Amino acid sequence: QVRLQESGPGLVKPSETLSLTCTVSGGSISSFYWSWIRQPPGRGLEWIGYIYYSGSTDYNPSLKSRVTISVDTSKNHFSLRLKSVTAADTAVYYCARSPPGITEWGSFDIWGQGTMVTVSS
Amino acid sequence: EIVMTQSPATLSVSPGERATLSCRASQSISSNLAWYQQKPGQAPRLLIYAASTRATDIPARFSGSGSGTEFTLTISSLQSEDFAVYYCQQYNNWPPWTFGQGTKVEFK
Repeated sequence: QVRLQESGPGLVKPSETLSLTCTVSGGSISSFYWSWIRQPPGRGLEWIGYIYYSGSTDYNPSLKSRVTISVDTSKNHFSLRLKSVTAADTAVYYCARSPPGITEWGSFDIWGQGTMVTVSS
Repeated sequence: EIVMTQSPATLSVSPGERATLSCRASQSISSNLAWYQQKPGQAPRLLIYAASTRATDIPARFSGSGSGTEFTLTISSLQSEDFAVYYCQQYNNWPPWTFGQGTKVEFK
């Protein structure tokens, strides 16, 4: 079955750029929308943005000025870059897939296990 | 941005009892609503989409209802593995897709 795995540094300094990659295994990255979602410790979920395998993107307006999501179909992975981070960006970061059906597109049917990123000097 | 409000924040239930969780949207979202279950240290798991359709392999004791702005997740007979935090999420309007703040179902 399809699995997602996040990877990247667990510690980022304030004002620097957070970079994570989500590798898709057991299936193709093509024909799906892929999202990044984060969860600060003890808090709820925040959608960061998505990318379609073709490269089209959409972002949460609250983060749009700092976020870039990209895709590499040859490596079957997609990536998140969040610049100018502060302590408020400390969170577990998840990658997730949106199913293609018209009634469920926008929900998230497959999730990575999540990776904790701490912003601290 | 559509704001999703869940109630109650915490629900204390005994095993075998029925649990009813509510989710309200700040404006109509038709039936474009999903429910997730999250256990400590785990990623959320999709339970329900399109307000009332169970996702793959989700037990029949989980059911969803509602449309417009008012939605309900019902667990008909709570099992020990159902104690968790539950989130609703709207995907009718974006960006952004938004989640509720969660309802924790705890052992009574």
